[in-house]
Amino acid sequence: DQQVKQNSPSLSVQEGRISILNCDYTNSMFDYFLWYKKYPAEGPTFLISISSIKDKNEDGRFTVFLNKSAKHLSLHIVPSQPGDSAVYFCAVKRNLNNDMRFGAGTRLTVKP
Amino acid sequence: DVKVTQSSRYLVKRTGEKVFLECVQDMDHENMFWYRQDPGLGLRLIYFSYDVKMKEKGDIPEGYSVSREKKERFSLILESASTNQTSMYLCASSRSGGGTGELFFGEGSRLTVL
Repeated sequence: DQQVKQNSPSLSVQEGRISILNCDYTNSMFDYFLWYKKYPAEGPTFLISISSIKDKNEDGRFTVFLNKSAKHLSLHIVPSQPGDSAVYFCAVKRNLNNDMRFGAGTRLTVKP
Repeated sequence: DVKVTQSSRYLVKRTGEKVFLECVQDMDHENMFWYRQDPGLGLRLIYFSYDVKMKEKGDIPEGYSVSREKKERFSLILESASTNQTSMYLCASSRSGGGTGELFFGEGSRLTVL
């Protein structure tokens, strides 16, 4: 039973425009929400996170929004760059648990 | 610079063979994890360990076992490989305690079972 769902397998945007990646989760008990980026032939790398007590966290071109009532989070990339082309995974975690659960990923392609 | 190293980037094995995937981290992290990545399914947790000789089942432990004899090393074992275990295997580590528990991943081991 998937706890984390990324319903869009792929997304294509033009360079300079906004990329919006979405993620839904099932359990309201999660405390932390993370985004990872993965290039081919490399392991995923941490991008940005947000705790359940916030609704927005920003880091440069990347902003994560959390809507707890809808159990939904999104990652905004503005402006998008060709180097952002990668697979993006959202992940969830409870505070005192060590393990993390991931979604299926969304492949972002940013066209020059 | 933090590092998680997986022993083999590519392996080809035959059905029924025993397979060992090794992972070493140099960050003195308490937690270590094994995930597999498959198209359309994302990263699924196989096993994790929060201390030496301790292990916990993840979501898909069937057909796998693990070993953690030293803090820095976490091994994934396929006792009798099957074709449905063809996948990308990713090892990760993290510091224990609360908070985001950011995972640091290795580069992955692509296993093909013929």
